[in-house]
Order: sequence, then structure tokens, then C-alpha cells
Amino acid sequence: QVQLVESGGDVVQPGDSLRLSCAASGFTFSAYNMHWVRQAPGDVLEWVAVVWSDATQTYYAESVMGRFTVSRDNSENTVYLQMDGLRAGDTALYYCAIGDGYGGLGFWGQGTLVTVSS
Amino acid sequence: QSTLTQPPAASGTPGQSVTISCSGSNSNIGNNFVYWYQQLPGTAPRLLFYRGNQRPSGVPDRISVSKSGTSASLAISGLRSEDEGLYFCAAWDDSLRGVTFGGGTKLTVL
Repeated sequence: QVQLVESGGDVVQPGDSLRLSCAASGFTFSAYNMHWVRQAPGDVLEWVAVVWSDATQTYYAESVMGRFTVSRDNSENTVYLQMDGLRAGDTALYYCAIGDGYGGLGFWGQGTLVTVSS
Repeated sequence: QSTLTQPPAASGTPGQSVTISCSGSNSNIGNNFVYWYQQLPGTAPRLLFYRGNQRPSGVPDRISVSKSGTSASLAISGLRSEDEGLYFCAAWDDSLRGVTFGGGTKLTVL
């Protein structure tokens, strides 16, 4: 069955870097766009980034542009989120999700927690 | 601040019907599909409707959606205790070039 397993979340200090991974299985990974979405305490969902199925295009939320980089390795069925210059406002549960090509997120992982605190 | 506007809370008693609204603009709802997600306590969000009114397997037909112009709504009839949770609308935004979510509606079954 479809599985998305996020990892890499940690407690870090402001200004630190972190790389999240999302290992996918149970579907043809290379055929789908992959998204990152985060949920801060207070329950609001915020879309973070998307990488096209062939990795030719990426888009970012304005709040992370220039600090975060999304990438993927289709040979390893894994999508990554490199987060630099972390801020307290980046504290959230980070989910990866499968995109349907129209902005929909068909399946979500269970998330990995990132806490930015001094 | 979310680009899509939802009421923060909704409630009903078992068996009743409830509707959750989602208001956007031409750059998102007006020009793209609306998606709805359900998040039960302690779990990841789950897709309820995709590409407008398509329902994934397992989503009961007592839950329905509609869209008109730049607004959309989710309706749940025959409320059950297991419907209690958070409901989010979302759509691709052509101006932002990204997915935009509503702020979420917390549904309480009294």
C-alpha cells in the first residue's frame, strides 16, 4: 500500500539548518509531484513547497523562499526539504504529500516535528 | 493569514446536517479545483474530495461539496461523533503559484 515516511525532524536553534526526508513506497514515485506542508501549533495548515515529478520545476511559499530547497531522487523514491536559516516561526509538524497535478494532495505521511528554539 | 476563508467552528447534534463554507478569489477557487481535507484528532489530514466533487473510496456519500464562483462548501448530513475534527479547504493559487489552504473549521458533534 502507499506509504510516506518522513524523518529528520529535530530541535534546533535559530539560524540552524536541517534536512527532512520523505521515503515513498507503494506507488510509482516518479510519476507524481511531491509537496511539503507544515502545521504549526494551533492547527493551521501551510503549504511549503512542491517539486515536479521530473524535478524540473519547484515552487515555494513566500515565507520560506530563499531559505528552503525541495528536491527529489527518483532512483531512491525520496523527496527532501533542505531548511536553512531556521526561525522560530518554522516550528511545525512537516508533512510530505503526493500531488495530483492540480494542486490536490492525495495522500499524506504522518509528519516529522521540527522545533526551532533558543 | 489564509487566502481562503473558513468559519473557525461549526457544530451540530448527531443526525443533523452542517455546512462549512470556503471563500476565495478568482486566482484560486474561481479558476481551479477545490479540495477538502479532514483531520481527525492526532492524525494526518485525509483527502475528502478532489478535482471538485470526486470522492475517494471510503468517503461516505452523506458528505457532499459544491462550488459557485469563488466560493465552495462542504455539507455533512446525518452527523456522527466520528465526524468530529478539523476540515480544511484548499486550492492551487495561480498568483501565489502554490497551494493555499483555508484556516480550518473545527467541527464539534454535540
